[in-house]
Amino acid sequence: QTVVTQEPSLTVSPGGTVTLTCASSTGAVTSVYYPNWFQQKPGQAPRALIYSTNKKHSWTPARFSGSLLGGEAALTLSGVQPEDEAEYYCLLYYGGAWVFGGGTKLTVL
Amino acid sequence: QVQLVESGGGVVQPGRSLRLSCAASGFIFNNFGMHWVRQAPGKGLEWVAVIWYDGDNKYYADSVKGRFTISRDNSKNKVYLQMNSLGAEDTAVYYCARITSGTYGDVDYWGQGTLVTVSS
Repeated sequence: QTVVTQEPSLTVSPGGTVTLTCASSTGAVTSVYYPNWFQQKPGQAPRALIYSTNKKHSWTPARFSGSLLGGEAALTLSGVQPEDEAEYYCLLYYGGAWVFGGGTKLTVL
Repeated sequence: QVQLVESGGGVVQPGRSLRLSCAASGFIFNNFGMHWVRQAPGKGLEWVAVIWYDGDNKYYADSVKGRFTISRDNSKNKVYLQMNSLGAEDTAVYYCARITSGTYGDVDYWGQGTLVTVSS
């Protein structure tokens, strides 16, 4: 059973920078896992932010960026805005199976 | 613009079946693979199933394998999820989502979801 692990919760101040991570129980995350990141606000469907590790969708704000960091996928928010308070999920591809992380609840305080 | 609209959710008794539909518009449907993803109340996202653009390849999460079947009708721009032998653990909002063009592992657009409640 493959497990993808994220920080359960993080808190950041408005205007600050925060990095969310996504680890795989199978070992180091690389680009072949096609790391994706999604944002979900209460009562809403998820919204895609990052795909293929570090690519942004046309609607993704510039302050969001994706990367690989120390064997994990990472999502960095720079210049955090109050509207960034949300749940964030990563998704990894295992060649015929996809696994979501448990989600990180980001609080902007 | 890309739109995905799920339907077919509702309240169903344990052990019964239900079929969900996802109607797609705003893009060339038969060029894109499609996922079903679910979210139990107050819980995280769980990948359920995927079907390739041509319907030739389908994959399932272990939790639904043998009970759920994903299919598509490219002439109707729809993807379906047939759910059999439903249990309380299948209670969730079910979303359809599109695989990003030119990739296997990426997801871009999501529908708004349809709620399935399994209860006697």
